[in-house]
Order: sequence, then structure tokens, then C-alpha cells
Amino acid sequence: QKEVEQNSGPLSVPEGAIASLNCTYSDRGSQSFFWYRQYSGKSPELIMFIYSNGDKEDGRFTAQLNKASQYVSLLIRDSQPSDSATYLCAVRASGTYKYIFGTGTRLKVLA
Amino acid sequence: GAVVSQHPSWVICKSGTSVKIECRSLDFQATTMFWYRQFPKQSLMLMATSNEGSKATYEQGVEKDKFLINHASLTLSTLTVTSAHPEDSSFYICSAPRDIQETQYFGPGTRLLVL
Repeated sequence: QKEVEQNSGPLSVPEGAIASLNCTYSDRGSQSFFWYRQYSGKSPELIMFIYSNGDKEDGRFTAQLNKASQYVSLLIRDSQPSDSATYLCAVRASGTYKYIFGTGTRLKVLA
Repeated sequence: GAVVSQHPSWVICKSGTSVKIECRSLDFQATTMFWYRQFPKQSLMLMATSNEGSKATYEQGVEKDKFLINHASLTLSTLTVTSAHPEDSSFYICSAPRDIQETQYFGPGTRLLVL
């Protein structure tokens, strides 16, 4: 059973702080990793994808991938109240186009 | 802007009726689309993979006769919930892979309430 695990939270951080979200996966053959943000009552919105080990930065967001340890993380710098949402980690299953989603981490940014 | 649309965004129906949900890829062709269901405070659960011009592939535990999928063109997939019951009430979301990396983009979702 291929799995993606996330801490459900809530993770509370003060405005302006760095929020760190983590995700582990079980399928060693996975090559593609995604972070989605989902506001309550809305569908997921792609934030970032990462395919290679190391860091990938896009504005206030940095995705980190460590395939040897099978974890992916998302850092949000200068967190804003508007960043409050559930963050879903998704892993593309090896050999398919299917994504396996984690249960999501709820982030609360306190003003 | 949006790359995948869904219609309707909201539907309320009586138990026993059938409901059709449309998913369209905008400005790109999608030979594959995915249908998910999400219950409150739970994660996305993949229901089925919609394949243009062929039968859909259903995930284990999903009744193919209850959730009919038709992918008749390269930009449109439909999900029909047949003989809907209150336990089918959920948030249904489709996605389509786009770009060379096959990144999935989600539609805005359809909230179904069966009375």
C-alpha cells in the first residue's frame, strides 16, 4: 500500500514567521512531488512541484526533497493570515499518472 | 487563470435521482482526467481515471455502475451519479494533467447534496 503521510495539525504560526510543513512517502520509485493548498470549501490549488533532490524556491515558498529519506517539505516564509489553509502533499505513484495524497496539514497564521 | 472547469458548482437533488457533473479542460487537450471525492475534513480520494475513447478505470471499492464516467472528447469528461442517495453527498472534484510533466490541475469542484 503506497502511502503519503502528513501531520494533520493544526500548525499555528505567528504572522511573519516561517511555517514548515512536512510529508513522508512510502513509494521509493516516486519521482514527482507536489504541494497543493486547499482553502475550506474550495478545490486544491497547485503551489509547487519538485522532482530533484534539494531545494526549489518560488517567491515565499521553498520545497525541499530528500529521496533517500523519502520526505518532502514546504517552507513558507513571512507567513500571512491569507496562507491559513490546508496544505496537501501529493506524490505521483511510480509507473502511473495517479497521485497519492496525504491527509493534509492545517496551517493557521495568527495575525 | 483556471485551466479546468466544472459544472455545476452546486447541486441539490432528491434521493433516487441521477446527477451529471461535467469537467472540461480549457485551452488544452486531456486524454486522461481524474475524478476525486472529498468528504468533510478528509483528504481527496481518487475514484476513477477517465480515459478518452475508452472505459474508465475505477479504484477499488468504487461502484462503476453507480458512478458512470464518459470521456467522449479530449476536453470533456462527465461523471454521472446514478440513483443518488444521501451517503453520496460529497464534494466531487476532477483534475486533468497538463504540460509535459503531467502536473494535475483541479477543477473548482461540485458540491452534491442528496436529500
